[in-house]
Amino acid sequence: SQQGEEDPQALSIQEGENATMNCSYKTSINNLQWYRQNSGRGLVHLILIRSNEREKHSGRLRVTLDTSKKSSSLLITASRAADTASYFCATDQTGANNLFFGTGTRLTVIP
Amino acid sequence: GAVVSQHPSRVICKSGTSVKIECRSLDFQATTMFWYRQFPKQSLMLMATSNEGSKATYEQGVEKDKFLINHASLTLSTLTVTSAHPEDSSFYICSATLGISYEQYFGPGTRLTVT
Repeated sequence: SQQGEEDPQALSIQEGENATMNCSYKTSINNLQWYRQNSGRGLVHLILIRSNEREKHSGRLRVTLDTSKKSSSLLITASRAADTASYFCATDQTGANNLFFGTGTRLTVIP
Repeated sequence: GAVVSQHPSRVICKSGTSVKIECRSLDFQATTMFWYRQFPKQSLMLMATSNEGSKATYEQGVEKDKFLINHASLTLSTLTVTSAHPEDSSFYICSATLGISYEQYFGPGTRLTVT
């Protein structure tokens, strides 16, 4: 399968704690993207990291990319109840025009 | 940022009928649009890639005669679920690209329920 895999599948934390989600993939990529999806809603693009980048920040989000291990992580710091959602990584693979999505992590932030 | 809309947001139809879902890029011209479906608590699965003015490219396992895709203009793509069955009930999401940009802009999704 060209889909990526994410772990954990589900994560429950207290408000204020940090949340870390991991994504692994199998092929060469141009970039890797993280998306957020609230229950029953469309996707919202969070951050894109290119294959020649190792780390990127956006507000409370920190993304790392290790192309040698074919893995990425998304860190959400100082979590809030409003961060409760499913988070997906998606890879823009070399030679392909569409995105390949990971299995997603369901994050629950408890107030 | 670029905006993609979908219509309808929710639709309930009877088994055997056909349903059309529209995907529009509101403020940009989308050379390519993608259609995904998502079963509850699962990841998105790409169904087909739609390029303006040409036939859609379907992913393996997706029946092109059942899921008709039309991309007649640079701002509109439609997905028609023909002879719908309860197992077609799902969340359908479209996305659009500007062409040279890597980022895809996603629509809000359409929840289809077939009774």
